[in-house]
Amino acid sequence: EAGVAQSPRYKIIEKRQSVAFWCNPISGHATLYWYQQILGQGPKLLIQFQNNGVVDDSQLPKDRFSAERLKGVDSTLKIQPAKLEDSAVYLCASSLGGRTNEKLFFGSGTQLSVL
Amino acid sequence: AQSVTQPDIHITVSEGASLELRCNYSYGATPYLFWYVQSPGQGLQLLLKYFSGDTLVQGIKGFEAEFKRSQSSFNLRKPSVHWSDAAEYFCAVGAHTPLVFGKGTRLSVIA
Repeated sequence: EAGVAQSPRYKIIEKRQSVAFWCNPISGHATLYWYQQILGQGPKLLIQFQNNGVVDDSQLPKDRFSAERLKGVDSTLKIQPAKLEDSAVYLCASSLGGRTNEKLFFGSGTQLSVL
Repeated sequence: AQSVTQPDIHITVSEGASLELRCNYSYGATPYLFWYVQSPGQGLQLLLKYFSGDTLVQGIKGFEAEFKRSQSSFNLRKPSVHWSDAAEYFCAVGAHTPLVFGKGTRLSVIA
């Protein structure tokens, strides 16, 4: 069974540049999550999609971060412009129905370094 | 607000020794509790979860955890650690809200 796919694996950019990350969840999973994991911290939810609608984006810095999930499958997370404090691993996860008691399946993440 | 505290940033154990990783949570109602493991360069993998019922839950890879409501704790245990258990371990809490993760405990295993 294919897992959650993310690309790129690594990205290095300079501050004020823009960057985009891509995620393909497990087939059939209605819910998709983007987490930010800063070094030494646990993952923090940025945005949760249920199919192609946003369920929770309360912790997404909307002045610079945006995300979309067209057709309820793949998703893209964008940062524009990037700041030094955006350096982190960006994890995508998916689950079957979106209930809190469900198991989340995580991708390997995109490690972003902002110089 | 819900929160998770993992008091130990880094733990080193000898291979074959027992392991206990601590997790304390703050939550207003009966929480859902989880332990995830993250190997270097990998995403998180669910080890076990607790919702209700038996307070001792069994997970994958020989791990277990015990929910103690009186102590607001959900500690992870393993009777005999293997070198492949070296990883970062995250405790998480949630219910009808998105999961909140602790900062993690890094486990090192020495021969």
